[in-house]
Formats: sequence, structure tokens, C-alpha cells
Amino acid sequence: GAVVSQHPSWVICKSGTSVKIECRSLDFQATTMFWYRQFPKQSLMLMATSNEGSKATYEQGVEKDKFLINHASLTLSTLTVTSAHPEDSSFYICSAGRRNTEAFFGQGTRLTVV
Amino acid sequence: GENVEQHPSTLSVQEGDSAVIKCTYSDSASNYFPWYKQELGKRPQLIIDIRSNVGEKKDQRIAVTLNKTAKHFSLHITETQPEDSAVYFCAATLGGDTGRRALTFGSGTRLQVQP
Repeated sequence: GAVVSQHPSWVICKSGTSVKIECRSLDFQATTMFWYRQFPKQSLMLMATSNEGSKATYEQGVEKDKFLINHASLTLSTLTVTSAHPEDSSFYICSAGRRNTEAFFGQGTRLTVV
Repeated sequence: GENVEQHPSTLSVQEGDSAVIKCTYSDSASNYFPWYKQELGKRPQLIIDIRSNVGEKKDQRIAVTLNKTAKHFSLHITETQPEDSAVYFCAATLGGDTGRRALTFGSGTRLQVQP
């Protein structure tokens, strides 16, 4: 099956700093990728849709200036958490897929802001 | 938008028994319904999926049923084993091109299989 790789798998950062998370489709081109957030013992919630070559589409309640998404190529989308605070600590996970296939998830990134 | 509700939130069964998890969805246009198994700190793993043109699908010990009229779908696991213990999520999405559609997830069910 298709492979989606996410990096880093975990990161600890200080409050006020920024963190970049990468999501790569390794063996297919992804014009669209999705970013989800999962708080402990909760479900996955869609944050934004990343569109190659254009602006991301954010879900209601997600601050676009805080969660910067860049989809500069057909195989890479990045999510930057700017000025991170402890409440941003969560499991961030991306997904992508081919036409009419299942969604493939990255490994996820555990972000801890201290 | 789509809303997916999932029950129960926790489920404990004895090894060898069956487990059933139920989900309802709100948008009648949704036509793809995957089920995921997620272990702690790991990515969700697709275990089975069903499209709206099918009422039931089975893969060994796992089966999914879909009732489009009632807008609900269920996961059935038979002969449960301790390694089935995990959190299970249902999801729904609408339209074609399913691999490139965002998913709306249910709230999850923590399944515990007692040896």
C-alpha cells in the first residue's frame, strides 16, 4: 500500500517557540493532504486540508495564523505550530491517499510544549 | 457538515466472545465508512471499510454492516482475542475519490478483551 511518512515522531519544545512537522507521501503524489489533531483519549479532529500550490482550508475554530500549512510540492506538506503553548500539546497526524483508495496516515507527531 | 456518533465508549468482553460497536451518521450523502484500530501512540490502522452500495462486508473475524436508511453502521468482531484490545474508531466521508477526502471520526470505543 501507499506510504505516508511523518517527522518527527515526537518533539518537546519550550512555550513560545515554533515547531515544524513534515508529512511526506513516499510513493505517490498527493495533491491533497489532511492534518488532524488528537488530544489524549479523544478522537481525531480535522484541523485543515492542505492543497498543493494553494492556500490550506482550515476547519472552524482552527487559527490559520497559528497553524501554518505549506504544501509546496506533490509529496510534502508541513504544519508549523507557531508560538506554541502547553494547550497545543497533542498528537498531530497527517493523511493522504490516492483516488478511490483508503486514507493512509503518517506515524503521527507527539508534541509536548513545556 | 457530517456528524458521526459512536457507542459504546468502552466495551469489555471475555476472550472468545463477540464485540459489537455501533455508529450513526448524519449526512445521507456519505458513502464511504471505514473502521480503524488505534493502539496507544500509534497511527490508526484500517481494519475494514464499506461503501454505500454494499450492505455487509466480512473479513475473517471482522464484519461491518451498513443500513443506509437508518444511517447507521456497525463493526462486529467475533472470537475476540486479547490482541484485539485497542481503541476503535468509525469514520465517514462523502463523495467519490475517497482516498482524497477528509474523514469525520466517531468518538472511539475502547475495547478490552479479558483473557
